[in-house]
Amino acid sequence: ELKVEQNPLFLSMQEGKNYTIYCNYSTTSDRLYWYRQDPGKSLESLFVLLSNGAVKQEGRLMASLDTKARLSTLHITAAVHDLSATYFCAVDGRDDKIIFGKGTRLHILP
Amino acid sequence: DTAVSQTPKYLVTQMGNDKSIKCEQNLGHDTMYWYKQDSKKFLKIMFSYNNKELIINETVPNRFSPKSPDKAHLNLHINSLELGDSAVYFCASSQKRQGPYEQYFGPGTRLTVT
Repeated sequence: ELKVEQNPLFLSMQEGKNYTIYCNYSTTSDRLYWYRQDPGKSLESLFVLLSNGAVKQEGRLMASLDTKARLSTLHITAAVHDLSATYFCAVDGRDDKIIFGKGTRLHILP
Repeated sequence: DTAVSQTPKYLVTQMGNDKSIKCEQNLGHDTMYWYKQDSKKFLKIMFSYNNKELIINETVPNRFSPKSPDKAHLNLHINSLELGDSAVYFCASSQKRQGPYEQYFGPGTRLTVT
């Protein structure tokens, strides 16, 4: 059974700092997704990672995938308050099930 | 133009009632989903439909039944509502054949059972 673990689950950081959110998964997968959710809102797709070594960047966010280690990272560079949200990783299992991590609640202090 | 829409946005009802949530996508995607997000914000997939066929049926109570009249619509019907059904329900769609694969989520329906 596919399991997806994110850490940390809660992160409070100062503006201008860098930090990384980790997403580990338990079985082989071809696709990994990162989503953002603002309080009371829906989920917004950030990145789709489809192959080993894939790296994608959008603004201050960069996501990478290591399929051999079954690990994805979401790196935040020089955080700004607008990035405060909950970030989810999700993994596409072989049986078409998409399993979400528990989410990382990111709070960026001005 | 709303890509994935859900109605209603809020639903307050009493235990034992039957209710439906509607979902429509105008993206031409081939797969639609229903998710439940509980009070701790955990997201769990409930159902998935690919070209009108159920391809995932998670271990949810059979009081929940998805209905897809066509590939642009996936409705969720819930019988005999219970307190534990209170949650936010999200509909989503994606293009699984050929990609780009990521899911587009609707705005959510906040269900409160009293």
